[in-house]
Amino acid sequence: QVQLVQSGAEVKKPGSSVKVSCKASGGTFNSFAISWMRQAPGQGLEWVGGIIPKFVTANYAQKFKGRVTITADNSTNTVYMELRSLRYEDTAVYYCAKDDSWGDGYVNGRFDSWGQGTLVPVSS
Amino acid sequence: EIVLTQSPGTLSLSPGDRATLSCRASQSISSTYLAWYQQKPGQAPRLLIYGASSRATGIPDRFSGSGSGTDFTLTISRLEPGDFAVYYCQQFGNSSPYIFGQGTKLEIK
Repeated sequence: QVQLVQSGAEVKKPGSSVKVSCKASGGTFNSFAISWMRQAPGQGLEWVGGIIPKFVTANYAQKFKGRVTITADNSTNTVYMELRSLRYEDTAVYYCAKDDSWGDGYVNGRFDSWGQGTLVPVSS
Repeated sequence: EIVLTQSPGTLSLSPGDRATLSCRASQSISSTYLAWYQQKPGQAPRLLIYGASSRATGIPDRFSGSGSGTDFTLTISRLEPGDFAVYYCQQFGNSSPYIFGQGTKLEIK
C-alpha cells in the first residue's frame, strides 16, 4: 500500500514562491510517476505537472511552464513542487498523486494513490 | 487539446436509485486511458474505474464503467448514502498528459 504524505498548509503573499513536498512510503519509488494537481475553492482538478523520479526530467502543463519546477529526491523518496510568482488565483489545494511507470517512461495514465492535499492561500 | 465534458453538472437522486454519469471527449480517445474518480468534501479523489471499465482495488461492483471513442459512462447501480459526492473523469494522452472533466455532483434528492 503506497502512502503519500504532503507538507502542511502555507499562507503566501502575491509574488512570492511556495515549495510543497510529497513523501512516498511503500512500493518502489523508482517505478512511480508522481504528478501534482491543484483544486481551487469549489472548482475541479487541474494537472500542474509531473515527474518520473527514475528519469529526473519533469513535464509541465503549458499553463504553468516557466513558473513551476518539480524535482525528486530519490534518497528520501520525496517529490517537490515549487510554484513561483504567486497570484491570488493560485489559491488552491495542491495534491500529489501516483501513477505507475514502466519501460522507457511509459505510464498507466491514472492515479491510484493520492496525498492528503496542501492548502496554499495567496493573500496580501 | 482534448476537452472532457461531463454531464449533468448536478444529479439529484435518492438512495437505492441508479445513477448514470456521462463523460464526452472532444475527440476520440483510447479507452485504455479513461479513468473515473470519486471525491468527497475535504478529501482527495479516489480512483474508481480505469481503462474505461475496470474497477480499482476495493471498489464495489455497484460501480461500473463503459464506453469507447468519445462517449463514456459511469453507472452506480444502487446508490448508497456514501456515494453522494463529486465524480470526475480523466484521460491520459501524449500531447496533454492528464486532463480532467469538470465534474458531476451527485446529491441526495
